[in-house]
Amino acid sequence: RKEVEQDPGPFNVPEGATVAFNCTYSNSASQSFFWYRQDCRKEPKLLMSVYSSGNEDGRFTAQLNRASQYISLLIRDSKLSDSATYLCVVYNAGNNRKLIWGLGTSLAVNP
Amino acid sequence: GAVVSQHPSWVICKSGTSVKIECRSLDFQATTMFWYRQFPKQSLMLMATSNEGSKATYEQGVEKDKFLINHASLTLSTLTVTSAHPEDSSFYICSASLSGGAFREQFFGPGTRLTVL
Repeated sequence: RKEVEQDPGPFNVPEGATVAFNCTYSNSASQSFFWYRQDCRKEPKLLMSVYSSGNEDGRFTAQLNRASQYISLLIRDSKLSDSATYLCVVYNAGNNRKLIWGLGTSLAVNP
Repeated sequence: GAVVSQHPSWVICKSGTSVKIECRSLDFQATTMFWYRQFPKQSLMLMATSNEGSKATYEQGVEKDKFLINHASLTLSTLTVTSAHPEDSSFYICSASLSGGAFREQFFGPGTRLTVL
């Protein structure tokens, strides 16, 4: 079983739609969780950290369920510029400070 | 914000040659730098963790004699792909973490696209 699993998609949605991505992780000792965005042939960029209480940044909402080892990202009012791959990332300090990356979920927002 | 550069941004070389990729933290000191590789439609795969002044820690399956890492200063790490072969063609990305014991965000370089003919 992979340490971080995501549905690779692709998700094709119209502009203005709401879309949700899910991610599960296998190591219950994981401490920090992130969503990164990666555009084609570019480096990943941090979108947002994920906190236990859930957090929101504009149109983006991230949630964490430690009991189920599940992370989600909700994008409201999708824009064309949201088209990218969204990577779920998990960190465990006991794992030599490594980030463990999901395969990513591809999103295409269509006009 | 913290900026990480990589050079070159892309390189094409013949099989058997060696290629050096530089990763620099431009406006901060990075105790730790990470080297990743990403094949098409694959996730980032950590190759090695490099701490300034010490030997790199390689992930399982990554040949340390083929992928030489040097982290001689707090702002520069280099990855040398020795005797490159077509299967080494990939997107190589470095990241740098701010100095400090607790977790710090990793800042990514723009990546180097290597094509081995």
